[in-house]
Amino acid sequence: EVQLLESGGGLVQPGGSLRLSCAASGFTFSNYAMSWARQAPGKGLEWVSLISGGGLSTYYADSVKGRFTISRDNSKNTLYLQMSSLRADDTAVYYCARSVWGGHGMDVWGQGTTVTVSS
Amino acid sequence: DIQLTQSPSFLSASVGDRVTITCRASQGISSYLAWYQQKPGKAPKLLIYAASTLQSGVPSRFSGSGSGTEFTLTITSLQPEDFATYYCQQLNSYPFTFGPGTKVDIK
Repeated sequence: EVQLLESGGGLVQPGGSLRLSCAASGFTFSNYAMSWARQAPGKGLEWVSLISGGGLSTYYADSVKGRFTISRDNSKNTLYLQMSSLRADDTAVYYCARSVWGGHGMDVWGQGTTVTVSS
Repeated sequence: DIQLTQSPSFLSASVGDRVTITCRASQGISSYLAWYQQKPGKAPKLLIYAASTLQSGVPSRFSGSGSGTEFTLTITSLQPEDFATYYCQQLNSYPFTFGPGTKVDIK
């Protein structure tokens, strides 16, 4: 079964850092680009970042550029999102998703992990 | 960045109704558009990609059309499990933006 499982969310103070992980199983991880998206409480979806299958290409939303870093370890079938200089408006449920290259969308999603930025 | 708008933002419909949701892009995106369904407390689910290709396992009452800047998601004969929020997403250029969503509620 194809599955994604996020972890690492929690409560962090403004200006702090947090690293999210997404463990993949049931498919050849390195063959797929992977993305992060988020959803603030009561709000819509926001695309955050994407990394290519080999990890050489990365892309970010303007709202996180320079503060968040996406990476992956294909030997561990794991995707990461390193978040720093966190702000209150980064509070959201963060989802990882498998991304099909060529504009075919995000076809497999994890259950999400909650990040709360508050003092 | 490419901006997406959706209309309506909210619609109230009955089981069996035909429902159409529109997504407009601020510039041409060819057919690089996907549609997602999200239910409360759940992750989004991919319904349609490449504007009109049905994702495997998605019921055939869902269909998508359009290209360029205007796209539609149609649900023929709305079912109880279809009451949810629907989002479009452009995958033409980074950042891959989502539309603001359309909530489909029970009349």
